[in-house]
Amino acid sequence: SQKIEQNSEALNIQEGKTATLTCNYTNYSPAYLQWYRQDPGRGPVFLLLIRENEKEKRKERLKVTFDTTLKQSLFHITASQPADSATYLCALPYSGSARQLTFGSGTQLTVLP
Amino acid sequence: GAVVSQHPSRVICKSGTSVKIECRSLDFQATTMFWYRQFPKQSLMLMATSNEGSKATYEQGVEKDKFLINHASLTLSTLTVTSAHPEDSSFYICSASARGGYSGNTIYFGEGSWLTVV
Repeated sequence: SQKIEQNSEALNIQEGKTATLTCNYTNYSPAYLQWYRQDPGRGPVFLLLIRENEKEKRKERLKVTFDTTLKQSLFHITASQPADSATYLCALPYSGSARQLTFGSGTQLTVLP
Repeated sequence: GAVVSQHPSRVICKSGTSVKIECRSLDFQATTMFWYRQFPKQSLMLMATSNEGSKATYEQGVEKDKFLINHASLTLSTLTVTSAHPEDSSFYICSASARGGYSGNTIYFGEGSWLTVV
């Protein structure tokens, strides 16, 4: 199975700045990687999926990169807002393209007004 | 969009009793559902995979006789925690996978169920 490390447990940034979160994994290269947002006491909400043959994916203010050589994904939130404050989880399939997911421990982002 | 609903959202039960948590896919047919557990400040850990009409597949270290999973229809899976102990207190989250499509982008999570065993 995968071992996933997300950079810091907590990240504080000023409103309007770009938040960058890191997800590193070991072992095999997954067919895809996902990012989720989780608010306290709530289930994860899917944000973005990036496939192994994609370098970058964008959705509104979100951008995800996927470097299979470095075994790393970066998750960016541009023009951050206090409403972006949450825990962000990266997730990879157990193996190959399996639908069972292994989650990182998450990075708690706080955007300060 | 697709919605996965869990019920109850919070439950308190006495030690030694059993409690059932339901996971429903509201607007799509879920051939596969997944049950995760999350302890405070920790990430989600997969407990089991349930396929409609067949026995669930449990992850290593998860007791199948303690965590009973039933997936009798394409829209409902249930997790029953039997003989609950205080250490079973956790946040239980289900996710559902729809028929067809690329497997990686058709997974939807429920809102989770808080279980407290006293």
